Amino acid sequence: AQKVTQAQTEISVVEKEDVTLDCVYETRDTTYYLFWYKQPPSGELVFLIRRNSFDEQNEISGRYSWNFQKSTSSFNFTITASQVVDSAVYFCALSEDSGGGADGLTFGKGTHLIIQP
Amino acid sequence: EPEVTQTPSHQVTQMGQEVILRCVPISNHLYFYWYRQILGQKVEFLVSFYNNEISEKSEIFDDQFSVERPDGSNFTLKIRSTKLEDSAMYFCASSEAGRWGLNTEAFFGQGTRLTVV
Repeated sequence: AQKVTQAQTEISVVEKEDVTLDCVYETRDTTYYLFWYKQPPSGELVFLIRRNSFDEQNEISGRYSWNFQKSTSSFNFTITASQVVDSAVYFCALSEDSGGGADGLTFGKGTHLIIQP
Repeated sequence: EPEVTQTPSHQVTQMGQEVILRCVPISNHLYFYWYRQILGQKVEFLVSFYNNEISEKSEIFDDQFSVERPDGSNFTLKIRSTKLEDSAMYFCASSEAGRWGLNTEAFFGQGTRLTVV
C-alpha cells in the first residue's frame, strides 16, 4: 500500500526566510510518481511539480526547489526568500504505476505554510 | 489557459437527498477523476474514468456514488441518499494521459463544496 507522510502540520516563518516542507513516502513499486500541489486560501489545487521515480535529479524553478532522495524515500520542497503570497496548504502526493492507466493520487495530509510580513 | 470548471461552487442539500456535481474537463483530456477533501483533512481519491468506464476506484467510492459522462463535455458525480459525513469539498480533475510516466499531470477544478444538513 502507498502512503505519504507530511509530518509538519503547520509552519510559520517571517517573509524572506527560506522554508522546507518535508514529504516522506512509502511504496512497494519500483516505478512511481511524486507530486506537489499548492492549495491557496481560495481552495483550488494548483499543480507545482511531478517527479518520476527513475529521475533523481533535483529541480529548481525560480524560488522553488525540490530534493528527491530515494535512499530516504523523501521528496522535500524548499521555498527560498518566502513571500506572503506563498501562504497556502501544500500537499505532497504519490501515484504508483499500476499499468492500467488513470491511477489515482495518494495525498499527504498537507502542510499549512504561513508567511508573516 | 484551459481549465477544469466545476458547478456549482457550493451546494447545500438535505440529508437523504441525491446530488449531482458537475465538471467540464479540459477539452483534449481523456482521463477524468473525482477527489474529495473533508474540511481540514487530506485530499482523497474517489474514482478515475476513461473511455466511458470506471478505470480505478477507492474504497470510499461505494454504491452510493456513481459517475457518468452524459455528453462530450460534462463529467458528473452523483451521490445518492446523502449523509452528513458526505459534507466535503469535491474536486474534479482531468489529464491528457492516464499513465503519469507519459509526462502528464492532473489539472484540478476549483471544487464544489457540498454541505449536507
